Amino acid sequence: NAGVMQNPRHLVRRRGQEARLRCSPMKGHSHVYWYRQLPEEGLKFMVYLQKENIIDESGMPKERFSAEFPKEGPSILRIQQVVRGDSAAYFCASSLGQGRDQPQHFGDGTRLSIL
Amino acid sequence: KQEVTQIPAALSVPEGENLVLNCSFTDSAIYNLQWFRQDPGKGLTSLLLIQSSQREQTSGRLNASLDKSSGRSTLYIAASQPGDSATYLCAVTALDTGANSKLTFGKGITLSVRP
Repeated sequence: NAGVMQNPRHLVRRRGQEARLRCSPMKGHSHVYWYRQLPEEGLKFMVYLQKENIIDESGMPKERFSAEFPKEGPSILRIQQVVRGDSAAYFCASSLGQGRDQPQHFGDGTRLSIL
Repeated sequence: KQEVTQIPAALSVPEGENLVLNCSFTDSAIYNLQWFRQDPGKGLTSLLLIQSSQREQTSGRLNASLDKSSGRSTLYIAASQPGDSATYLCAVTALDTGANSKLTFGKGITLSVRP
């Protein structure tokens, strides 16, 4: 499967726990975007990363959220001390290179539910 | 701040009907505009991408138009089929983001095509 892989597909956490969402980009892609889709809302940009660098995190909540894209392995979106309002679908997209002519390929998302 | 609006939120049509989905955006300084399809529980599939210098793009039964000056785009679906039932999302890339091609999405239109 050459597509963007996200896991887990569904994640249930209790308030106060940590959530870790993983994204493996398409083969050869070194650019990753994370988006969040709240219920009844459109997708909202969160963060743009290249290998080992955060390029734009203007859409990330100031607290509890962090993202990384290490030299080896998947990109990780980490949410600490989750609250009910974090319940959403989190989508990852990858692109081959930088630039607005590079199409983004989306994964199937991780549905996060907070009890 | 760019805002993308898609109205109505939901649409139900009988099979075979030609239909138009609308998208409007507040800032005409866009680099490109895309239409995506999202099936329940799935990620996004890119349908058509229109560069800011283009007026329309066609793929099979789909035709997307762009009027940048008025901040509008339409997705035309000819001879609709039940398999076209999905949520259709419109997204723009801003002109001034440099290499960052983060997308600004509308909330989507959920289309149901009745057999």
